[in-house]
Amino acid sequence: QQQVKQSPQSLIVQKGGISIINCAYENTAFDYFPWYQQFPGKGPALLIAIRPDVSEKKEGRFTISFNKSAKQFSLHIMDSQPGDSATYFCAATPGSTLTFGKGTMLLVSP
Amino acid sequence: ETGVTQTPRHLVMGMTNKKSLKCEQHLGHNAMYWYKQSAKKPLELMFVYSLEERVENNSVPSRFSPECPNSSHLFLHLHTLQPEDSALYLCASSQDTGSGEKLFFGSGTQLSVL
Repeated sequence: QQQVKQSPQSLIVQKGGISIINCAYENTAFDYFPWYQQFPGKGPALLIAIRPDVSEKKEGRFTISFNKSAKQFSLHIMDSQPGDSATYFCAATPGSTLTFGKGTMLLVSP
Repeated sequence: ETGVTQTPRHLVMGMTNKKSLKCEQHLGHNAMYWYKQSAKKPLELMFVYSLEERVENNSVPSRFSPECPNSSHLFLHLHTLQPEDSALYLCASSQDTGSGEKLFFGSGTQLSVL
């Protein structure tokens, strides 16, 4: 049973556009929701994370929106750039090991 | 050298071979992990070590055997693998298992089993 559902599987966005990736979870014990970014040939790297006591967290062009009642959270990339082309993974944890989504392959076209 | 280093980067092995993957972290962390990454699947946690002791083993087949001789080094010994074991194997570390959400990953070993 997949505990974190991520969509879409792939996404193409024009340079300057907004990229949006969505995740939904089932386990109400989850209390930490990170996003990881993975470039080809590299391991995932922590990009941004949120805890459920806030509804939004912004770091530069990257924003997490969190809806506790709907058990959903999303990553927004504003002014998307070709250098943002990567695979993005959402994840969740109740405080120990992470449960990951399947990943979204983002391509930002020049 | 900083971060988490994995060797080799690529490995091709037959089903009867025995090989080992190596991971070294230079971050002073106490916890280390092995993950399996397959296409279109979530990252699968295989093993967790805390201060050289295995604390989690997620029903991984015995043909995968981990070893953690100290808090900086982690090995994954492979023997009699199957073609479906072909994947990217990622090592990660964190300060401790309580902060396991803040993982630092290596670049992985791309394994092909023929």
